[in-house]
Amino acid sequence: QVQLVESGGGVVQPGGSLRLSCATSGFTFTSHGMHWVRQAPGKGLEWVAVIWFDGSSEYYEESVKGRFTISRDTAANTVYLQMSSLRAEDTAVYYCARDSGRRTVYGYSDVWGRGTLVTV
Amino acid sequence: EIVVTQSPATLSVSPGESATLSCRTSQGVGHYLAWYQKKSGQAPRLLIFDASTRATGIPARFSGSGSGTEFTLTISSLQSEDFAIYYCQQYNFWPLLSFGGGTKVEIK
Repeated sequence: QVQLVESGGGVVQPGGSLRLSCATSGFTFTSHGMHWVRQAPGKGLEWVAVIWFDGSSEYYEESVKGRFTISRDTAANTVYLQMSSLRAEDTAVYYCARDSGRRTVYGYSDVWGRGTLVTV
Repeated sequence: EIVVTQSPATLSVSPGESATLSCRTSQGVGHYLAWYQKKSGQAPRLLIFDASTRATGIPARFSGSGSGTEFTLTISSLQSEDFAIYYCQQYNFWPLLSFGGGTKVEIK
């Protein structure tokens, strides 16, 4: 069974840092790109970042560039989002999502986690 | 910047009726558009990709159409479990992936 489980959310002061984790299971981790998507309270979904299936490329939404870093650990089948210089507007539920492509990245996600709440 | 606009913001529908949701992009995205269902406290669920292809396990009452800048999600014969918020997402313009603001389908 394919599963994504986020953790690491919490309350942090403006300017602080936090690292989110997304533990994956049930699929070949090295075959899929991974995304982070967030949803601020009462707002819609907002794409945050993506990392390629082989870790060779990563891209970010403009407002988080230079502050957030996405990474992946193949041995642990886990993807991370390191967040620094946090702002009030970063408050959201952060979802980890698997890109649907296998050994390519299509840009849409077929499996999602339940999210972890970050409050700044 | 690709702007994705969904309408209406809220749609009131009676169970058993059909719902038609609209998604418009500020630039043509070909057929690179997906639809998701989101319920409070739950993970988003992929419904449609490539504008009209149903994802695995999605009932046939969900259908997508359109290309370029105009897209539609149709839910025929709404079931109680279909009342949720629906988002469209374009994935043509890498690396700028963008979602629409959502359409809430509520019980009339």
